[in-house]
Amino acid sequence: AQTVTQSQPEMSVQEAETVTLSCTYDTSENNYYLFWYKQPPSRQMILVIRQEAYKQQNATENRFSVNFQKAAKSFSLKISDSQLGDTAMYFCAFIRYSGNTPLVFGKGTRLSVIA
Amino acid sequence: DSGVTQTPKHLITATGQRVTLRCSPRSGDLSVYWYQQSLDQGLQFLIQYYNGEERAKGNILERFSAQQFPDLHSELNLSSLELGDSALYFCASSATTGSGSPLHFGNGTRLTVT
Repeated sequence: AQTVTQSQPEMSVQEAETVTLSCTYDTSENNYYLFWYKQPPSRQMILVIRQEAYKQQNATENRFSVNFQKAAKSFSLKISDSQLGDTAMYFCAFIRYSGNTPLVFGKGTRLSVIA
Repeated sequence: DSGVTQTPKHLITATGQRVTLRCSPRSGDLSVYWYQQSLDQGLQFLIQYYNGEERAKGNILERFSAQQFPDLHSELNLSSLELGDSALYFCASSATTGSGSPLHFGNGTRLTVT
């Protein structure tokens, strides 16, 4: 079974600074997708970014980018120019490329952006 | 707005009771997922439906059941409720099953069992 590990339960960053959230996963699959979801205090689950395992290029969405290291099974999220609105729980998630398997989540990292 | 609608937003009930949570997926999405999030925990997968059929099952208790109807909306039934069932229940939908289609989440139903 696939597992996703987020080793940083909590992190904080000063406004306008850069922060990196870590995620590792365990799988024997070669094709899969990885995601970062954000859960602000409103408790909504918001998709931040997606990475296909077969693509070597790291995904980027505005201030959010990932560092995908397939051999190391590592998928970190970098947030640049942090804003107060980035304060949230961040969940890393994995899904196999095919087959009837669900999205598997890590336990999350609570990020606080400090003014 | 994700396009996924969950009702009700909040539900307070007593132990031993039964409740039904409802989810309408995004227009065009065939796959519906149910997740449970207990306080300060990650999301635990309960069950997935695709076009009316059950496709995957997680650690869903026998007291819980779900179904997806022909119009693609889904219901999660929780019975013989216990205090430990208090949680935020999310429904999510995607266009297909697996294959990397992002899951779009509803705003959740917060269940409080007293």
